[in-house]
Amino acid sequence: GAVVSQHPSRVICKSGTSVKIECRSLDFQATTMFWYRQFPKQSLMLMATSNEGSKATYEQGVEKDKFLINHASLTLSTLTVTSAHPEDSSFYICSARQGQGNYGYTFGSGTRLTVV
Amino acid sequence: GDSVTQMEGPVTLSEEAFLTINCTYTATGYPSLFWYVQYPGEGLQLLLKATKADDKGSNKGFEATYRKETTSFHLEKGSVQVSDSAVYFCALIRLNNAGNMLTFGGGTRLMVKP
Repeated sequence: GAVVSQHPSRVICKSGTSVKIECRSLDFQATTMFWYRQFPKQSLMLMATSNEGSKATYEQGVEKDKFLINHASLTLSTLTVTSAHPEDSSFYICSARQGQGNYGYTFGSGTRLTVV
Repeated sequence: GDSVTQMEGPVTLSEEAFLTINCTYTATGYPSLFWYVQYPGEGLQLLLKATKADDKGSNKGFEATYRKETTSFHLEKGSVQVSDSAVYFCALIRLNNAGNMLTFGGGTRLMVKP
């Protein structure tokens, strides 16, 4: 079946530094990838939707300059948290979709970001 | 806009008990409905889905029936196991500028005790 690899699974960084999270579709081409943020004991909040080769579409309230998304190929999307602060600490999950149908959403295993 | 509401947890059950996690939705048109499961420290896995009214999705002993008249998609399992302990998310498809995408409910944590 479809597999999405997300890396790293855990990262600790110092306040003010930037962190890059990668999301790769291993055995299919992902026309669209999604980035979610999950707060403790809460649901997933969609941050942005990215289509290969075009600018990401950010949800309302998500800072574009803080959360940089690049979807340079059909198998790779990256999320860079710039100038990270402790309030950016969270669980980030990516999802990749094959085609335009209603199914075929595959999720990565998530990245636990801790900013100290 | 479209939304999904599911019962708040945590739900604590003994092994072999019957499970119901309620989910209702608000949507225009005819959305597809999903249940996802998230085990501790992991991403989401699709558990089951239903694409039209009266469809029943099933997997690993879990079932959910798409009820258009009550706009519900309740998750059930006849006999839960400790390994079922996880967070369960009900979801539907909605449209945004980039096409179809998922909208999640708030999640329900299930804890099964031996």
